[in-house]
Amino acid sequence: DAGITQSPRHKVTETGTPVTLRCHQTENHRYMYWYRQDPGHGLRLIHYSYGVKDTDKGEVSDGYSVSRSKTEDFLLTLESATSSQTSVYFCAISESGDRGRATEAFFGQGTRLTVV
Amino acid sequence: GDSVTQMEGPVTLSEEAFLTINCTYTATGYPSLFWYVQYPGEGLQLLLKATKADDKGSNKGFEATYRKETTSFHLEKGSVQVSDSAVYFCALSEVYSSASKIIFGSGTRLSIRP
Repeated sequence: DAGITQSPRHKVTETGTPVTLRCHQTENHRYMYWYRQDPGHGLRLIHYSYGVKDTDKGEVSDGYSVSRSKTEDFLLTLESATSSQTSVYFCAISESGDRGRATEAFFGQGTRLTVV
Repeated sequence: GDSVTQMEGPVTLSEEAFLTINCTYTATGYPSLFWYVQYPGEGLQLLLKATKADDKGSNKGFEATYRKETTSFHLEKGSVQVSDSAVYFCALSEVYSSASKIIFGSGTRLSIRP
């Protein structure tokens, strides 16, 4: 199994509080991604990183920020949590393959976040 | 922007039935295509992939062919088993401004009756 770990695995937090989720990899892969999974929406990309301190927005980035200060760690922060951010969050890693396209993605086990 | 469209589920079949899950994509470039599977309570794992037109990806009896002319990557299996019950996601990866994103469809839930 690819070395990718998410923490925490479960969290309950109150509306308005900041929350940080951590993704840690031991594979030295270039790309790291944060997705959220909601019924009927599949996986939606929040933010992604293509190197240390290189990040970009995905399709549902509002209310989220990310940081990648080391190759192995990619942090997702909910600046002020809202109930609409209750979801399962997945981190994924990938390498750069043919013509720069991301190759197979390896996923973490997910973080179930509940905002009350 | 680029996108992936899958047939809506849930799909319910009897054991040993033939399976097709449709997937079409919209892309400005030449993406790589993937099928991922998610078993209950787990993260996603790669099922198969194809990186160029007419490539056929296969794994565990599942197959999908990269059809550039119809922008499709339909998943098929000749005889499904109860253990195939899961959620299946079609995805593409493409390069955008020197970085690559992986975009997923909405997923198709498959249930197999004994």
